[in-house]
Amino acid sequence: GNSVTQMEGPVTLSEEAFLTINCTYTATGYPSLFWYVQYPGEGLQLLLKATKADDKGSNKGFEATYRKETTSFHLEKGSVQVSDSAVYFCASEGFQKLVFGTGTRLLVSP
Amino acid sequence: GAGVSQSPRYKVAKRGQDVALRCDPISGHVSLFWYQQALGQGPEFLTYFQNEAQLDKSGLPSDRFFAERPEGSVSTLKIQRTQQEDSAVYLCASSRGRAKETQYFGPGTRLLVL
Repeated sequence: GNSVTQMEGPVTLSEEAFLTINCTYTATGYPSLFWYVQYPGEGLQLLLKATKADDKGSNKGFEATYRKETTSFHLEKGSVQVSDSAVYFCASEGFQKLVFGTGTRLLVSP
Repeated sequence: GAGVSQSPRYKVAKRGQDVALRCDPISGHVSLFWYQQALGQGPEFLTYFQNEAQLDKSGLPSDRFFAERPEGSVSTLKIQRTQQEDSAVYLCASSRGRAKETQYFGPGTRLLVL
């Protein structure tokens, strides 16, 4: 079945630093890929998605590119803000259901 | 418009009690999903409905877990004879229903079994 592996946290950065959170997947076929974010005390929110190889999802300054050759969907942001502090989940979609990674906590200090 | 809502937001149960968790999906969404999120982990799939039909229940951990969506809208996840290992956040999500559609999540119900 599908599986998703993402880097362990916490990731601790200073404001305006560059962010990368690695995510790789295994799947049968070509699933859609997602990044969800969970802010403190809130539910899961879709951050961005990509539905086919070489697609780039982007939102709020975050980007991720669907790389079939490396089975990866790494999340990047050029300049993080304190308000980006949250837990980030990578997920793949197979047969309608989502398979999530374990989440990566991002802490951004002023 | 209104998002996915869940109730109760918090539930404390004594071991052995039955609990019922409710999910109200986004109006018009055909598909509804339940996930279980243990502390410090990512959500794990439990079950999936398309309208009132339960198409996949492969993630339900035991026969103590039961889900229904009798009219194709509101769904209830029931856990019988709760055990301490059932303590988790239970997330509901809905989507318009076609393949590869985005799933929208509710705030979750945090269940603590003592």
